[in-house]
Amino acid sequence: SQQGEEDPQALSIQEGENATMNCSYKTSINNLQWYRQNSGRGLVHLILIRSNEREKHSGRLRVTLDTSKKSSSLLITASRAADTASYFCATDRSSNTGKLIFGQGTTLQVKP
Amino acid sequence: GAGVSQSPSNKVTEKGKDVELRCDPISGHTALYWYRQSLGQGLEFLIYFQGNSAPDKSGLPSDRFSAERTGGSVSTLTIQRTQQEDSAVYLCASSLEGLTGELFFGEGSRLTVL
Repeated sequence: SQQGEEDPQALSIQEGENATMNCSYKTSINNLQWYRQNSGRGLVHLILIRSNEREKHSGRLRVTLDTSKKSSSLLITASRAADTASYFCATDRSSNTGKLIFGQGTTLQVKP
Repeated sequence: GAGVSQSPSNKVTEKGKDVELRCDPISGHTALYWYRQSLGQGLEFLIYFQGNSAPDKSGLPSDRFSAERTGGSVSTLTIQRTQQEDSAVYLCASSLEGLTGELFFGEGSRLTVL
């Protein structure tokens, strides 16, 4: 069963605009991670936020975590055409053996 | 190698044949994962190896699927009597920390069952 659900499923914006993607999950977690996948490639880790953290920044990326709402958001500021990719959230359930469960992803298109 | 290596990158097989997919993780990484990704979909967890512990096989979709990890390094995912619904990209990832660590993914093995 899927733990994370992203929305929107697809997002199309102009270069320079900000892109916000959301992720909701169902059970308690140790941490939440965001990954990026370019078409036909493997996934690349972007950022990890632990359950006791509320916000984290990395370059143009800003991730928030609200454990009371079981949700996270990924904000990409000043988007570039090269940001075009699929973005996935993944959760490490606090009760599990270590497996990371991925959502369905958000496909982002940034138009030049 | 510098990253996770998977082979073959592409495999076309006929229904009913067996296939083996190989994953060579980053040296020293104790955790290894297999995921399956169907076209335009998210990642479906298949199996997880952590050190010398018994693997978590809870994601394997049927008994036609099996995986092993030899010497705590290379892993092989075997699909017996392949079916058309097995067509997907099979992604391998490894992690240094296991439970909470960042995953490093290979480029995947694209399997097409005719």
